[in-house]
Amino acid sequence: DAGITQSPRHKVTETGTPVTLRCHQTENHRYMYWYRQDPGHGLRLIHYSYGVKDTDKGEVSDGYSVSRSKTEDFLLTLESATSSQTSVYFCAIRWDSSYNEQFFGPGTRLTVL
Amino acid sequence: AQTVTQSQPEMSVQEAETVTLSCTYDTSESDYYLFWYKQPPSRQMILVIRQEAYKQQNATENRFSVNFQKAAKSFSLKISDSQLGDAAMYFCAYKSNFGNEKLTFGTGTRLTIIP
Repeated sequence: DAGITQSPRHKVTETGTPVTLRCHQTENHRYMYWYRQDPGHGLRLIHYSYGVKDTDKGEVSDGYSVSRSKTEDFLLTLESATSSQTSVYFCAIRWDSSYNEQFFGPGTRLTVL
Repeated sequence: AQTVTQSQPEMSVQEAETVTLSCTYDTSESDYYLFWYKQPPSRQMILVIRQEAYKQQNATENRFSVNFQKAAKSFSLKISDSQLGDAAMYFCAYKSNFGNEKLTFGTGTRLTIIP
């Protein structure tokens, strides 16, 4: 257990509304990530953070923003949700080992109607 | 750009038997990591096994082992003595060791265990 929680675990929203997903970790890991999982695509990186206020884009960052004001929290925001953002969203942390493994939270299922 | 290919969308195996899941990847880099993740119906992504590219020895974790063929860019997962709890989606993943934080995933193989 890497001490990662995500909230909410499920959310249904309407097109055009803002949505914020929260990832919380309890072990002070420096690196945190947001991925989305869609059928036929595996997981794809949206954004990641390498410290408080330090973030960078992943491969599918359009339509998403992130913030990290505290080490333990990494927020993913959909400013104006679209149906194409219906997905399962996973937060991950990077373990500080020689393998740099990433460990994942339980996921959030987001449905945009 | 790196790509990861899992050519078997579905596999099945009898309980207690051995099964091998295939993964190939494409990269021009020499230093990288490879991982297998398991995703059961609970949706949780669970790290099964990892391999560093510069280590010749294949990684082993209990009933799980890999066959890492660097020249062929192949990273297969062998599950021995299959158990009902092994039923899940299995994802192969690649990570560069050159500052790129992205894990690149394959599309997954769904493994069914037949009692």
